[in-house]
Amino acid sequence: IAGITQAPTSQILAAGRRMTLRCTQDMRHNAMYWYRQDLGLGLRLIHYSNTAGTTGKGEVPDGYSVSRANTDDFPLTLASAVPSQTSVYFCASSASPAGGDNYEQYFGPGTRLTVT
Amino acid sequence: DQQVKQNSPSLSVQEGRISILNCDYTNSMFDYFLWYKKYPAEGPTFLISISSIKDKNEDGRFTVFLNKSAKHLSLHIVPSQPGDSAVYFCAATLPGGKLIFGQGTELSVKP
Repeated sequence: IAGITQAPTSQILAAGRRMTLRCTQDMRHNAMYWYRQDLGLGLRLIHYSNTAGTTGKGEVPDGYSVSRANTDDFPLTLASAVPSQTSVYFCASSASPAGGDNYEQYFGPGTRLTVT
Repeated sequence: DQQVKQNSPSLSVQEGRISILNCDYTNSMFDYFLWYKKYPAEGPTFLISISSIKDKNEDGRFTVFLNKSAKHLSLHIVPSQPGDSAVYFCAATLPGGKLIFGQGTELSVKP
């Protein structure tokens, strides 16, 4: 089934631990994104990648890192988790990062992360 | 500083009536506006969009209106159905394609 997969579905993590959220798309989209969703704040962009080999910072990048070694995968790493990183994380992709008619982003099902 | 604002956290509408979801923005550089729909435990899905050079776009029961002078857009759903109950996010793109989302409005359509 074409689309975006995320793993794990949910995770409880002790503060200070390292965690990598996985994201894979099979649509051969150039651009990929990571968002966090928090009540009352909507979705906020953490990091993005316009094409394999490049990454950029979004609105709330602190405490997170990403890599884009190939077109399909875009993992998000929390080097040392803190309770304020408790959130629902969504990965998304789009055919083109450059706007125009290809701006539509497709979202994965999300990862619910709780940092205790 | 919230560049895209949805001031109503929730909206309740009777089945068959019109649902109107509102969104305000502050950045005049936004070039596309989109509405996403989100069910619980799922990712957002694209619903409808409008270019900043247009003032209306229609797709079946869904119509989006853009008032650039007021920096306001709205999503109309007519007629509303119980399956439309979800959280609706307004979003806007800056040149370069990054999406800026509003806080979301939870729509409840009652039978």
